[in-house]
Amino acid sequence: EIVLTQSPGTLSLSPGERATLSCRASQSVSSSYLAWYQQKPGQPPRLLIYGASNRATGIPDRFSGSGSGTDFTLTISRLEPEDFAVYYCQQYGTSPIFTFGPGTKVDI
Amino acid sequence: EVQLVESGGGLVKPGGSLRLSCAASGFTFTNAWMSWVRQAPGKGLEWVGRIKSKIDGGTTDYAAPVKGRFTISRDDSKNTLYLQMNSLKTEDTAVYYCTTEGPRRIDYWGQGTLVTVSS
Repeated sequence: EIVLTQSPGTLSLSPGERATLSCRASQSVSSSYLAWYQQKPGQPPRLLIYGASNRATGIPDRFSGSGSGTDFTLTISRLEPEDFAVYYCQQYGTSPIFTFGPGTKVDI
Repeated sequence: EVQLVESGGGLVKPGGSLRLSCAASGFTFTNAWMSWVRQAPGKGLEWVGRIKSKIDGGTTDYAAPVKGRFTISRDDSKNTLYLQMNSLKTEDTAVYYCTTEGPRRIDYWGQGTLVTVSS
């Protein structure tokens, strides 16, 4: 089973700053199998990025994903107030089908 | 617009059973692969299980912690997904989300329903 580790656990930034979130896998992951989600308090998660670098429908272009192998990155180029949330990476496998990282909280 | 509305959550004693439902609309449910994902209070996301579309075999897969206790089914005539949970444990306490799968990702999430397992 592939284990995902996310760092940092909490990222304290201000609006307008750049956020760089890391997701590291315990084994190599195909880029097409890596996704990112955003979750705000009291809401379900929302798909942001799939295939490591493809933005989901309606996601602003300040969100971008990159990486390959075991190291993946979610970048928010300029933080807007509504971007303060928890971000999860996810990889698609066989057993379990979906594995999530523990999350990174982006805090003001 | 895709809508997924879960129901059936509540308080249940350890060892008890509960059935969750998810009413789906806004997409062709018959063709959809559906998953349940849960989130314990203040914790991260955990995939529970999935059911493929009938045209793709209708087979199910489960996470190890729930295998043998939980059963996912679907009624395509009612556009409804189910999660039958038996032999519930305190560690099953969580918000349960009904989700639609895209290729190797989860596209849409319901608002979730809270299941509390406590004596």
